[in-house]
Formats: sequence, structure tokens, C-alpha cells
Amino acid sequence: NAGVTQTPKFQVLKTGQSMTLQCAQDMNHEYMSWYRQDPGMGLRLIHYSVGAGITDQGEVPNGYNVSRSTTEDFPLRLLSAAPSQTSVYFCASSYGRGPGDEQFFGPGTRLTVL
Amino acid sequence: TQLLEQSPQFLSIQEGENLTVYCNSSSVFSSLQWYRQEPGEGPVLLVTVVTGGEVKKLKRLTFQFGDARKDSSLHITAAQPGDTGLYLCAGEAGSEKLVFGKGTKLTVNP
Repeated sequence: NAGVTQTPKFQVLKTGQSMTLQCAQDMNHEYMSWYRQDPGMGLRLIHYSVGAGITDQGEVPNGYNVSRSTTEDFPLRLLSAAPSQTSVYFCASSYGRGPGDEQFFGPGTRLTVL
Repeated sequence: TQLLEQSPQFLSIQEGENLTVYCNSSSVFSSLQWYRQEPGEGPVLLVTVVTGGEVKKLKRLTFQFGDARKDSSLHITAAQPGDTGLYLCAGEAGSEKLVFGKGTKLTVNP
């Protein structure tokens, strides 16, 4: 199993550009989520999905869109990049959202918006 | 909004020393998880505690969940350089979302 994979690993954008961060998992997990990690801020939830076709907003959803057409994939779209979106983005998946469910994280995408 | 406060924010110790990291909240959590994150990688789960007062041990790491399920601690005995990393606590309050603390950055010097 590859686990959770994310592409690209690094990306530099100019203000106003759009892009999609890819996330895929091969563990047949129903729950997937996107976090951003900024220095001194910990991990903050952007969007999450409890299954194919179902998504919901997290703590910091503005400027990001998601969709979940398959169980395996959960892409994150930046519609018009802003310098405030410079961050490290992590995708995570878990079997469910019960107390014992472990979240498996991808290796992250390091995004810089100029 | 549930908040998890971690302390200390930074900790630098010598190999062989003991340390404790704290995770506190005013909210009650149904479960609490501890993760370790190494530079350039995603967080990796260390343990999940569910029951108030629960104590779990993972080799030299001891995790405790407070009786009221509002706080937790991580104690490391005889720290080693391989313990270096960012330690994150994350709480679940039944809303299908995990709330993360800001983390404790631990450096263990040889």
C-alpha cells in the first residue's frame, strides 16, 4: 500500500493563479481531510469529506474548493492564490471518525504564493 | 470553538533527561490523540486515549488522559535524540473534526 500520496511536493505560484493539490489514498478510507500548517499555528482543518460525494467546511475554508467524486481521491483547489495561502498542506485519511480511528497523513505540499 | 493549548511550545534537553508535555482545554473531548511529526513529513499517530484517567505506555513514552477528559500529558523517560520532533495533541469532540494544538517542538541533544 502506498498510503496517502500528495502531489506536487513543492509549488510556487503567483498571486491570482489557480492550481489543484492532488491527494489519493489506497486504503479504502471513507474519511478524508485537508489541513494547512503554518508556523506557530498548528494544523487547521480546511475541508473534509465523510465519503464520496459528501464534503463539508472546516475551520479555514475560504479560498479553497474540494470535491470527492471517488473514495480514493480528494483534490484541493485554490481558485485565485493569495500570499496568505503560503503554507504546508497536508491531506489525511481515516477509516471513520470514531474515537479509535487513526488519521494517516500524506507527506505534504509546500506552497509559496508570491 | 474548542481550543487545545500545548505547553511548552519549545523544549531543548540533553539525552537521558525526562520531560513532560501538556495539552489542556476548557472543553471536554471524547478522545485525544498524540502525533509526532518529523521535519518534511506528515504527522504520525502515537496513541489514542479515550477513557478519563486512562494511562497508556509506549516504550519510554507515557500518555495520560485527565479524569475530566479536558487535558492530557505526554511523559518521556530518558529522552534520546531520536525523540526529536514536533509533538501534536488532537482532540475529538464528536463533530467529525479533529482539533489540533499548536504543538511542542522537542530537541534532544546528544
